[in-house]
Amino acid sequence: QLQLQESGPGLVRPSATLTLTCSVSGASVNSDSDYWSWIRQPPGKGLEWIGYIYYSQTTNYHPSLNSRVTISIDKSKNQFFLELTSVTAADTAIYFCAREMAGFDHWGQGILVTVSS
Amino acid sequence: DIQMTQSPSTLSASVGDKVTITCRASQNIDAWMAWYQQKPGKAPKLLMYKASSLENGVPSRFSGSGSGTEFTLTISNLQPDDFATYHCQQYDSYPWTFGQGTKVESK
Repeated sequence: QLQLQESGPGLVRPSATLTLTCSVSGASVNSDSDYWSWIRQPPGKGLEWIGYIYYSQTTNYHPSLNSRVTISIDKSKNQFFLELTSVTAADTAIYFCAREMAGFDHWGQGILVTVSS
Repeated sequence: DIQMTQSPSTLSASVGDKVTITCRASQNIDAWMAWYQQKPGKAPKLLMYKASSLENGVPSRFSGSGSGTEFTLTISNLQPDDFATYHCQQYDSYPWTFGQGTKVESK
């Protein structure tokens, strides 16, 4: 059974770098059939797709975040990562990792990241 | 970016009702539409993909239709477990975008 689990700090200082890990079990991030994505949801608001990484290391990011975001992958640990630089209060959100096939069919439980001094 | 507009934002209904949620895309997305259900404090759950394909394990009272720019999610015979927020999402053109959500609440 595929499971995803986000981990990382719950509080990040303004202008710092947010780094999150998604640990995958029950499937391989080295699969050529899956895309591994990050999605976020500000409290009480809608969902925003951040970007994905494919097993080949190909990435695709939301244009509004493109200059600040990096998604990477560690096949040996079956994990993928989100790095978001120069964070502001507007980056406060629940961050989800998810697998995409046709739609996002498996999600982590989400992690709330608050940007505050 | 493709804008996704859901209506209504909130819907009040009773158990046993038939409920319809609409999602409009700002440009043609063919049938590249997904629907999700989200409960408070939980991750979204995929209900439908490719506009009308039911995800494995999702009850058959959920159905989806539409193509191009107008889509609907219908819940027939609303059950207590169905009170939640529903999101549409297009996956025709990057960046993938979501609607703002429709909250289905108890009347």
